[in-house]
Amino acid sequence: SQKIEQNSEALNIQEGKTATLTCNYTNYSPAYLQWYRQDPGRGPVFLLLIRENEKEKRKERLKVTFDTTLKQSLFHITASQPADSATYLCALGYSSASKIIFGSGTRLSIRP
Amino acid sequence: DSGVTQTPKHLITATGQRVTLRCSPRSGDLSVYWYQQSLDQGLQFLIQYYNGEERAKGNILERFSAQQFPDLHSELNLSSLELGDSALYFCASSVEGGGIGTDTQYFGPGTRLTVL
Repeated sequence: SQKIEQNSEALNIQEGKTATLTCNYTNYSPAYLQWYRQDPGRGPVFLLLIRENEKEKRKERLKVTFDTTLKQSLFHITASQPADSATYLCALGYSSASKIIFGSGTRLSIRP
Repeated sequence: DSGVTQTPKHLITATGQRVTLRCSPRSGDLSVYWYQQSLDQGLQFLIQYYNGEERAKGNILERFSAQQFPDLHSELNLSSLELGDSALYFCASSVEGGGIGTDTQYFGPGTRLTVL
């Protein structure tokens, strides 16, 4: 069955640095890959979507890359701020199979 | 605020009981999705409805069922509840009913279900 691994359970970095989160998957490449932010006790919030034929997507301080050869997506937050502290989830969308699979998330902490 | 509302916010019930969770999508959204989030399983997709019809099915147990009504609100029914059903249940909505994973989904605040 399809598996998703998000690099680590927790990541701590200094304010102002770039945070890089990893999402690796096995087997089949998804048609779409999404990243969400989730704060404790709240619903996930959509951040970015990247398609399998796209290499990179940007939105303000956020950047996502998608490498179907490596079966990996990288999510970058530049000039990180304490307010960026949250859990970040990647989700793989297999539209032809009507399936979406979420990773377990990486808890990011930005220290001042 | 995503514009998706869910009621109730919290629900405490006993094993063997049946509960109904309610979701109102964002104005104009035709698709509703249900998810279960527990500590050991993470966020699991249960089912999607689009304009009243079932569109996609995930890891939904036979004890669980859902429907979407003509006004587009949706209900998730959970029956013969077990301790392991304790979790956060999220509803999400999107504008279209395209292949799942293609649309931006807007999540509600969730219903926390505790089964004692």
